[in-house]
Amino acid sequence: GEDVEQSLFLSVREGDSSVINCTYTDSSSTYLYWYKQEPGAGLQLLTYIFSNMDMKQDQRLTVLLNKKDKHLSLRIADTQTGDSAIYFCAESPLYSGGGADGLTFGKGTHLIIQP
Amino acid sequence: DSGVTQTPKHLITATGQRVTLRCSPRSGDLSVYWYQQSLDQGLQFLIQYYNGEERAKGNILERFSAQQFPDLHSELNLSSLELGDSALYFCASSAEPETLAGVTGELFFGEGSRLTVL
Repeated sequence: GEDVEQSLFLSVREGDSSVINCTYTDSSSTYLYWYKQEPGAGLQLLTYIFSNMDMKQDQRLTVLLNKKDKHLSLRIADTQTGDSAIYFCAESPLYSGGGADGLTFGKGTHLIIQP
Repeated sequence: DSGVTQTPKHLITATGQRVTLRCSPRSGDLSVYWYQQSLDQGLQFLIQYYNGEERAKGNILERFSAQQFPDLHSELNLSSLELGDSALYFCASSAEPETLAGVTGELFFGEGSRLTVL
């Protein structure tokens, strides 16, 4: 079955780069996503990458995809206190139906910012 | 504000009881998803509805059921509650057209309903 694994915690100093890693098992994954959950809030899509891409950059965010190793990472440059949240990796397999049903999430990585 | 509204925000009840969680999707979104978030299981997909019809089922227990009404709001019914059902229940909606396989996969999440079973 599909499985998405992430480390539970990551602690970084303010101003440093944060790198959150994720591995997935479904080789038919078409889209891979990073969602952010701030305290007391629902998840919010940060960025996504198609499985035929290696890298995607969006301001302070860089997503790297190693399809051979089924490894996805999210790099946050110049980490700020406002980046403190839980970051979820998710994947969507290719299937014949429509919609985003069956999106599989990892358990989330708690990003802790040290002053 | 995601535009997805969930009520109630908090709910405390006893084992064996039944509760109903309500979700109003973003205006115009036809798809509604229910997820359960707990510390040990993470975020688990329960069920999806599209325009009133059930589209996909995940790890939803038989004691749980859901429906989507003609006005597109959805309800998740949890019955014969057990201690282990205590969790945060999220509703999400998406604008995905039925025939398009998750172009962006962007789900818009509500703030969740926190259920505590005592």
